[in-house]
Amino acid sequence: GQNIDQPTEMTATEGAIVQINCTYQTSGFNGLFWYQQHAGEAPTFLSYNVLDGLEEKGRFSSFLSRSKGYSYLLLKELQMKDSASYLCAAQDSNYQLIWGAGTKLIIKP
Amino acid sequence: GAVVSQHPSRVICKSGTSVKIECRSLDFQATTMFWYRQFPKKSLMLMATSNEGSKATYEQGVEKDKFLINHASLTLSTLTVTSAHPEDSSFYICSARKGEGDQETQYFGPGTRLLVL
Repeated sequence: GQNIDQPTEMTATEGAIVQINCTYQTSGFNGLFWYQQHAGEAPTFLSYNVLDGLEEKGRFSSFLSRSKGYSYLLLKELQMKDSASYLCAAQDSNYQLIWGAGTKLIIKP
Repeated sequence: GAVVSQHPSRVICKSGTSVKIECRSLDFQATTMFWYRQFPKKSLMLMATSNEGSKATYEQGVEKDKFLINHASLTLSTLTVTSAHPEDSSFYICSARKGEGDQETQYFGPGTRLLVL
């Protein structure tokens, strides 16, 4: 079957670095998405990886290893506003999205 | 974990026809469901909030007469694209809300790819 796993909740300190991991199993693969979602708001697109490697966008970076079915989202210089849920979603061979349940990130001062 | 399904997964239709997309929460009841549209640059646009037993709440700029939403039961919401045009071709994603307040979680469906010819 197809599934995605990511931690349910993580806590980090303001100014620090946190890595949110995501492992997936899909029938075929057409890319992996990371979205940020604040409570009561629509998800905001963060990144899309389809090739192996690290992609950096400011304070956020996303890594993909297709052979390992693994991705992570790296957040640097954490700010209080980064407190949110982070959703990992993989796209299968039919371009269907398989979603993780989201990781709730709590930032403490 | 909770599962949300969508049907169909992909649909091709002729311009001017109507297409219905179903969103179901398979193992929980959802009084609130959401409909999104994913754009080519991967961003998700919230189209409307679907509330069981009442009218949907549409976001600014979304035509309610074109995108009909019906949330007839606690496990089913439907989005009907009426008089579809090629510019309506997109990837439509629904989500269902489980729980409330701090315990609230949104579960997303796999998406429906619509191509209007």
